[in-house]
Amino acid sequence: AQSVTQLDSQVPVFEEAPVELRCNYSSSVSVYLFWYVQYPNQGLQLLLKYLSGSTLVKGINGFEAEFNKSQTSFHLRKPSVHISDTAEYFCAVSEGNTPLVFGKGTRLSVIA
Amino acid sequence: DSGVTQTPKHLITATGQRVTLRCSPRSGDLSVYWYQQSLDQGLQFLIQYYNGEERAKGNILERFSAQQFPDLHSELNLSSLELGDSALYFCASSPRAGSPDTQYFGPGTRLTVL
Repeated sequence: AQSVTQLDSQVPVFEEAPVELRCNYSSSVSVYLFWYVQYPNQGLQLLLKYLSGSTLVKGINGFEAEFNKSQTSFHLRKPSVHISDTAEYFCAVSEGNTPLVFGKGTRLSVIA
Repeated sequence: DSGVTQTPKHLITATGQRVTLRCSPRSGDLSVYWYQQSLDQGLQFLIQYYNGEERAKGNILERFSAQQFPDLHSELNLSSLELGDSALYFCASSPRAGSPDTQYFGPGTRLTVL
């Protein structure tokens, strides 16, 4: 069965510093991978997704993620964060036509 | 604004009661998904409907049921409510049934069971 582990529940980072949010998944077959963001009191919004092709995926708001099949990872990165990036970030996996399985989330706090 | 609407925004009720949560998908989307978000369980998939038919089932309790109507809106019915059912319930929609499609989430319904 598929599962997702987000290794950090909370990540504090200073404004304009780089950040990496880690995500590892387990699956026995090919997967689709997603990062969603949840701002306070809002629903989830897609940041980026990997379906196939280039392992480096660029998303909205300057975020990018790299799919690493051998490490079963899909870490999210941003070279310079802003206060407005403060939110909860969720990694999710699907094995094709199976429903999304979400990680527990990582709370990113950007400090001025 | 994702285009997915959910009503009500907040719901406070008592144990043993029954409530109905409503979701209207984005225009043109045929799939509707329901999720439960709680502090201890995280974001859990409950059930998916595609064009009126149940497509996939997740960790949905027998006390919970859902349906999708001909106009594609969906309702999630929660009955015999327990304290542990207090959570945020999200609805999401996508154009087709397959998971590569982006899911667009509504703002959620916060259910509090007292």
